Amino acid sequence: EAQVTQNPRYLITVTGKKLTVTCSQNMNHEYMSWYRQDPGLGLRQIYYSMNVEVTDKGDVPEGYKVSRKEKRNFPLILESPSPNQTSLYFCASSLSKVAGYEQYFGPGTRLTVT
Amino acid sequence: RKEVEQDPGPFNVPEGATVAFNCTYSNSASQSFFWYRQDCRKEPKLLMSVYSSGNEDGRFTAQLNRASQYISLLIRDSKLSDSATYLCVVEGNYGQNFVFGPGTRLSVLP
Repeated sequence: EAQVTQNPRYLITVTGKKLTVTCSQNMNHEYMSWYRQDPGLGLRQIYYSMNVEVTDKGDVPEGYKVSRKEKRNFPLILESPSPNQTSLYFCASSLSKVAGYEQYFGPGTRLTVT
Repeated sequence: RKEVEQDPGPFNVPEGATVAFNCTYSNSASQSFFWYRQDCRKEPKLLMSVYSSGNEDGRFTAQLNRASQYISLLIRDSKLSDSATYLCVVEGNYGQNFVFGPGTRLSVLP
């Protein structure tokens, strides 16, 4: 089954404790992206990757890191989480950036930083 | 001006009604436009891409007006299952990123 998976689905952590949210897709997609969704602000793009070893900042990259060592994986790293990073996070992938290719989203990771 | 703006909603309509959503965008160079649907606490799912010539998929019709920089979504014969938040998505200023609108919530009432 074609899908985007994220782990963990739910995470409660404390300020400053490094964490990684994994994202994996099995569709051989080139383009992958991370978003966060907050009430009243909608979905905002954190980082995206056009292909292996190519990553770029989105609209809200501060406090986040990503890597794209393999085509299928695109982990999101929070080196020192803070409470303002409490949010719902979505990973997405698409075949390429070419116009018209839809993004497939993972089920989301709900992160709470206390 | 925000990059992508949508009707604030919510829209509460009876079953069978026709409802239209509008979305305006600021990046005149944008080439890609989409409508996504998001159910409560679920991931967004593509409803339809929006092409320059407009496109239709069953009860759903999307239109693009480049001159005025807006896109629209028309839903005919609304069903209870159409209740969701509708997200307008536009190619961003960097040409490789996407910008989501805040969404318009639709509730179809029996």
